[in-house]
Amino acid sequence: KNEVEQSPQNLTAQEGEFITINCSYSVGISALHWLQQHPGGGIVSLFMLSSGKKKHGRLIATINIQEKHSSLHITASHPRDSAVYICAVRGAARQLTFGSGTQLTVLP
Amino acid sequence: DVKVTQSSRYLVKRTGEKVFLECVQDMDHENMFWYRQDPGLGLRLIYFSYDVKMKEKGDIPEGYSVSREKKERFSLILESASTNQTSMYLCASSFRDRGLYEAFFGQGTRLTVV
Repeated sequence: KNEVEQSPQNLTAQEGEFITINCSYSVGISALHWLQQHPGGGIVSLFMLSSGKKKHGRLIATINIQEKHSSLHITASHPRDSAVYICAVRGAARQLTFGSGTQLTVLP
Repeated sequence: DVKVTQSSRYLVKRTGEKVFLECVQDMDHENMFWYRQDPGLGLRLIYFSYDVKMKEKGDIPEGYSVSREKKERFSLILESASTNQTSMYLCASSFRDRGLYEAFFGQGTRLTVV
């Protein structure tokens, strides 16, 4: 079993829809990251959180430490949100452990 | 304002060649990482370094080596490239062992070994 599980693997939505991507992890962590990867490969850090909730524009990330679960929400989705979204956790070690990613496609 | 730069976006190399992938960061980060990304497998850690001349193996170090002679530069070396090393390679950097410090990624190098 992977230490970090994401769902769904693939998600297609219509423009304007509310989107949720889930991440569950099985180890104790010091921080959880949500990353975005556009076609072409570059990865951008969206959020880094260790508790509660963070919001940036139309993106919201939440984490429940007790349940070892995090969600990434996108409100009023847009085709430019189409990308791979990756959850990653940092435990006691210096490195990140990654989920396999969620491919999001938002149709106009 | 590019912060982590990888030397090439695309590379095509022949089996058996020695391949160098370079990564430079301008944020004075102590930690630097090399990952490979394959469909269905996500990002997997090859090697990382938390200081100049220091290196540690990640999850899949076989067939790779690294060099960190200067703080800003971390090189990944494929000693004798093989077709199963065809992949997307991503470099990242972060401050030393700070859980809340985010990681910055390069744009990736797509390597094809023929």
